[in-house]
Amino acid sequence: NAGVMQNPRHLVRRRGQEARLRCSPMKGHSHVYWYRQLPEEGLKFMVYLQKENIIDESGMPKERFSAEFPKEGPSILRIQQVVRGDSAAYFCASSPPDWAGTEAFFGQGTRLTVV
Amino acid sequence: GQQLNQSPQSMFIQEGEDVSMNCTSSSIFNTWLWYKQDPGEGPVLLIALYKAGELTSNGRLTAQFGITRKDSFLNISASIPSDVGIYFCAGHRNQGGKLIFGQGTELSVKP
Repeated sequence: NAGVMQNPRHLVRRRGQEARLRCSPMKGHSHVYWYRQLPEEGLKFMVYLQKENIIDESGMPKERFSAEFPKEGPSILRIQQVVRGDSAAYFCASSPPDWAGTEAFFGQGTRLTVV
Repeated sequence: GQQLNQSPQSMFIQEGEDVSMNCTSSSIFNTWLWYKQDPGEGPVLLIALYKAGELTSNGRLTAQFGITRKDSFLNISASIPSDVGIYFCAGHRNQGGKLIFGQGTELSVKP
């Protein structure tokens, strides 16, 4: 039973380019959460998605950031026109529909470096 | 955005010593979770707490959900070198909703 899979593990982008981060949830999980972690800080919530729906995007920056979780395929976090301040580790977590707390599992993260 | 207040920020201890860290919040949570994160990895769940006053153990780890629902602590007994890492508390309010994380406690264990 594979865990939450994120790719790529490391991503380097030049300022102004686009970054696409992918997350495949655990089998049977239909809820996906994206978090961002700056160096030496805790994880900050960005967005919560179910299949084809954005449930809570209160942590997403208003510009340049978008997320989707299509009916088929992985969830995608897209960052357009990246800037140095976007450099961080981005983590995805997934849970089943009736999550009571313990069933939220994190992936290994994508470390984005903007040069 | 909202964060939990986690302390201490870092700890340097000798192998075999006990460790205690805690989290506080100005608002109530329905679930408290404790995670450990190793360098370059994602957080791994250690303990989940669902009821105010609940005390739960997982091997050498013990955690409690404060009766006010605004705080939680994690104890590690008889620390070993592999306990090294960053420990995060996280609070959760609603089923299916987001987690709010503390700033983390970095633990170093000297053999």
